[in-house]
Amino acid sequence: GQQVMQIPQYQHVQEGEDFTTYCNSSTTLSNIQWYKQRPGGHPVFLIQLVKSGEVKKQKRLTFQFGEAKKNSSLHITATQTTDVGTYFCAGRTNTGFQKLVFGTGTRLLVSP
Amino acid sequence: DTAVSQTPKYLVTQMGNDKSIKCEQNLGHDTMYWYKQDSKKFLKIMFSYNNKELIINETVPNRFSPKSPDKAHLNLHINSLELGDSAVYFCASSLGIGAFNEQFFGPGTRLTVL
Repeated sequence: GQQVMQIPQYQHVQEGEDFTTYCNSSTTLSNIQWYKQRPGGHPVFLIQLVKSGEVKKQKRLTFQFGEAKKNSSLHITATQTTDVGTYFCAGRTNTGFQKLVFGTGTRLLVSP
Repeated sequence: DTAVSQTPKYLVTQMGNDKSIKCEQNLGHDTMYWYKQDSKKFLKIMFSYNNKELIINETVPNRFSPKSPDKAHLNLHINSLELGDSAVYFCASSLGIGAFNEQFFGPGTRLTVL
């Protein structure tokens, strides 16, 4: 079945450092959504990318969708302790089946 | 007001028991989902309903039976619980069918099977 892998699995940074998580799919995706899950919490939608090569920014967060629509990245500039959590990408394959496949997640820990 | 709510928040039970988890959304969405998140944090879809009709049924043991009495409610009943069923179960909803819709998750139900 289709797999969506994220790397790294885990990253620990000092506050102020940058952070990037990469999302890779074995098949072409129609879209990419990003979610954040705080420790003990539930996934919360951050953003959606649909077009090939699309780049979107939300304050310190930059999201990219690859040209081939098989990968995506989330970059956080100057991390803060409030960025702690697990970041998931999720996408739909072009098979026509209407479900999101979630990535394996990247857990971010930020030390003050 | 809570958009997507689940009860109970925690559920501890013995192997072999039957239990139910309830979910309600007040967003007026047509589509609801059940996800399972295991100890490694992997999120896997189990079921999806659109306007009370089952549209996604992943490879899930038939001990798991979802029911949607109306489009605002989606319940999950689990028979003969096993140790491997221990996980956090999330309910979610979206405006409609289609993976282009943002999903709103409930707070989760942490199920522990002893």
